[in-house]
Amino acid sequence: AQSVTQLDSHVSVSEGTPVLLRCNYSSSYSPSLFWYVQHPNKGLQLLLKYTSAATLVKGINGFEAEFKKSETSFHLTKPSAHMSDAAEYYCVVEIFNKFYFGSGTKLNVKP
Amino acid sequence: SQTIHQWPATLVQPVGSPLSLECTVEGTSNPNLYWYRQAAGRGLQLLFYSVGIGQISSEVPQNLSASRPQDRQFILSSKKLLLSDSGFYLCAWSPDYTQETQYFGPGTRLLVL
Repeated sequence: AQSVTQLDSHVSVSEGTPVLLRCNYSSSYSPSLFWYVQHPNKGLQLLLKYTSAATLVKGINGFEAEFKKSETSFHLTKPSAHMSDAAEYYCVVEIFNKFYFGSGTKLNVKP
Repeated sequence: SQTIHQWPATLVQPVGSPLSLECTVEGTSNPNLYWYRQAAGRGLQLLFYSVGIGQISSEVPQNLSASRPQDRQFILSSKKLLLSDSGFYLCAWSPDYTQETQYFGPGTRLLVL
């Protein structure tokens, strides 16, 4: 069975400090992994995806994520948070065309 | 370019009434189609997915059903709504091969009273 666990339901950082949103997955197969962002009252937007190429994936808005098979993790990072990064972030695993979402992490950015 | 439409945007229905939410995709053929429910604080739950006309897979047992009468049309239905059916319903599509991104519709907010 496939599952995705986002370890923190809320993360709060100050503007200009690093962001770390954690995601662990469990899958019997080699998954594709994604991070999506949902701003308040907006639709879901793809940040980045891992599809068995480079383990360090760069996405939009300065975000990146590293696939670590030994740790079954796909954590999302950004060196310096911006106020506009405040949103809900979802880690997603895809197996055979089915997409499974984590429960989400709400990122709060303080001025 | 591809676009995905959902309607209605908002719906308020009494308990026990029927439901029909529609999703259509333009600009692509033979897409994989998905219905998700997003409940407050609980992320997105995959309800149904379809790889072709008339082919529906259900991920969780529930009060809802889905149909795909045409290649780019996906319908979410219920004969009798429950209070617990309230939530935000999202339709999504992805190209017909693996390792591809999903693209989401604007969603329908359903309130069952």
